[in-house]
Amino acid sequence: DSGVTQTPKHLITATGQRVTLRCSPRSGDLSVYWYQQSLDQGLQFLIQYYNGEERAKGNILERFSAQQFPDLHSELNLSSLELGDSALYFCASSAQGVGETQYFGPGTRLLVL
Amino acid sequence: AQSVAQPEDQVNVAEGNPLTVKCTYSVSGNPYLFWYVQYPNRGLQFLLKYITGDNLVKGSYGFEAEFNKSQTSFHLKKPSALVSDSALYFCAVRGPSSNTGKLIFGQGTTLQVKP
Repeated sequence: DSGVTQTPKHLITATGQRVTLRCSPRSGDLSVYWYQQSLDQGLQFLIQYYNGEERAKGNILERFSAQQFPDLHSELNLSSLELGDSALYFCASSAQGVGETQYFGPGTRLLVL
Repeated sequence: AQSVAQPEDQVNVAEGNPLTVKCTYSVSGNPYLFWYVQYPNRGLQFLLKYITGDNLVKGSYGFEAEFNKSQTSFHLKKPSALVSDSALYFCAVRGPSSNTGKLIFGQGTTLQVKP
């Protein structure tokens, strides 16, 4: 158990809908990262937050947004969902510092029908 | 741009034999390299990392990796494979900006250990 929790584990929804994925980082970790894992794209970095502020952005679609709250949990919002958004979404957290290890949550499997 | 390549989609090895999962990287500046393992329907588990220092890094579950700067490689090794090592392995490099720890992953290598 990495100490990173994600809810829900599974999500089935329809095209055009909006969903929210939730992540709680390990105790004491200020950084939260979101990644998408799909068969065709592999593991792709989406976005990073550090202590409530956006720190880095990857190839995240404009339909996707995220935030980190004062209690350090993070939410990833996916809207106007398309079939191609079906994927495994991981959250990871790390302490501050160069080269700090990222610890991954169990992921949320999203299926868009 | 920083990148990671795992040249083998799948590695097959017999239980008890040594295993190697290959990884090469391309970075500007000092590389920070990581190995993760993913079991079916599970998240990624950290195995080991190279930041600086000794080129041979020891990690979890008996795994180790050798950093080779001249060959820009960071191959994952284990002296004696177990059936339970069968999983998907990812090599990753830290992204180029100094103020972000985002990871760039290779495409993954499936390790199959046969009894």
